[in-house]
Amino acid sequence: DTGVSQDPRHKITKRGQNVTFRCDPISEHNRLYWYRQTLGQGPEFLTYFQNEAQLEKSRLLSDRFSAERPKGSFSTLEIQRTEQGDSAMYLCASSLDGEETQYFGPGTRLLVL
Amino acid sequence: SQKIEQNSEALNIQEGKTATLTCNYTNYSPAYLQWYRQDPGRGPVFLLLIRENEKEKRKERLKVTFDTTLKQSLFHITASQPADSATYLCALMDSSYKLIFGSGTRLLVRP
Repeated sequence: DTGVSQDPRHKITKRGQNVTFRCDPISEHNRLYWYRQTLGQGPEFLTYFQNEAQLEKSRLLSDRFSAERPKGSFSTLEIQRTEQGDSAMYLCASSLDGEETQYFGPGTRLLVL
Repeated sequence: SQKIEQNSEALNIQEGKTATLTCNYTNYSPAYLQWYRQDPGRGPVFLLLIRENEKEKRKERLKVTFDTTLKQSLFHITASQPADSATYLCALMDSSYKLIFGSGTRLLVRP
């Protein structure tokens, strides 16, 4: 299966710790998106990359959040000094430039205790 | 501000019936609208896209309508099956190709 993959699938951490998530998009896709989803809500946009360039960041992305896509392939999302309010499902999606459909990974579920 | 609304109450129907889900939007003029399915603990899966110049689109047992005057899309599943039970998300794409989702409607199909 060459779909979008995310690692880890689940992460439990204590408040104040740093966490890093990884996303591997579909290989030929040059656009990569991060979304966050809380219970009972739809996914909310966090940031996106076109190749290695980070083109847009949501106001939801506080300065504790940073995302990278160093070689235009996989991406990482780091959360520093986690807070309980960061508990959510973090979804990654990818698409071809100009294509309307986004392909989502299985998500990383984060629980901050 | 831009807003997408889906019925937050679960839709509970008998197997074999047609499920109809509603998506309303305000302060937005999308060129197209998408529907995704999401199962618990999984990422959304793309189902259908309908453009503003299309009134209706079909794929197997799925049908989507798009009324830009009413600012509404309807999503229908005919001959519903228990396997159709999931949350269905409506999404619009903005000018930077990011998706703006509704909160989703949970569908439960009883055998």
